Amino acid sequence: DGGITQSPKYLFRKEGQNVTLSCEQNLNHDAMYWYRQDPGQGLRLIYYSQIVNDFQKGDIAEGYSVSREKKESFPLTVTSAQKNPTAFYLCASNQGYNEQFFGPGTRLTVL
Amino acid sequence: GENVEQHPSTLSVQEGDSAVIKCTYSDSASNYFPWYKQELGKRPQLIIDIRSNVGEKKDQRIAVTLNKTAKHFSLHITETQPEDSAVYFCAASKSGGSNYKLTFGKGTLLTVNP
Repeated sequence: DGGITQSPKYLFRKEGQNVTLSCEQNLNHDAMYWYRQDPGQGLRLIYYSQIVNDFQKGDIAEGYSVSREKKESFPLTVTSAQKNPTAFYLCASNQGYNEQFFGPGTRLTVL
Repeated sequence: GENVEQHPSTLSVQEGDSAVIKCTYSDSASNYFPWYKQELGKRPQLIIDIRSNVGEKKDQRIAVTLNKTAKHFSLHITETQPEDSAVYFCAASKSGGSNYKLTFGKGTLLTVNP
């Protein structure tokens, strides 16, 4: 199942802390994406990367940062500037004009 | 940018009935329209997709139709079963350069009652 892994499955953050969510894929896909999912809001794009060492802001990038140093990895950092970070975070990847494959997700809760 | 509207937000049907979910999009340049199914606590998974060079596509009990003129597309599930119960998302994207990002609708919670 997959080819995309995310860790951890559950993450708890205290206010004022930065946390990093991991996303790794072994599908040899060029493009990777981070989405945030809230009840009734669908999937909203945070950041995406079409190639190593390059990434673009999505629709809700404020308070988040990413890096793409390796083709296989696209970590997402949720910074203290993100005022309402409690959500389900999904990573995805694809190649060109084809299906996006999703990871199992990380559920982040702010304490 | 692209905007995708999805209706209804919830849908309840009896087992064996058909279910229809409708989406509209705003960008006439969009040309790829996937549908994803997400079971509770799980990852979204592609169930069917359609590209703008065709008007309809079927896969067993699932079909998708596309009306480019009206900028809407629909998911049809026939002979529904309890295991079809999930949240369904439509999405749209356009090819061009290196940008293939998807814009998603807000989802439809489908409940199939035995």
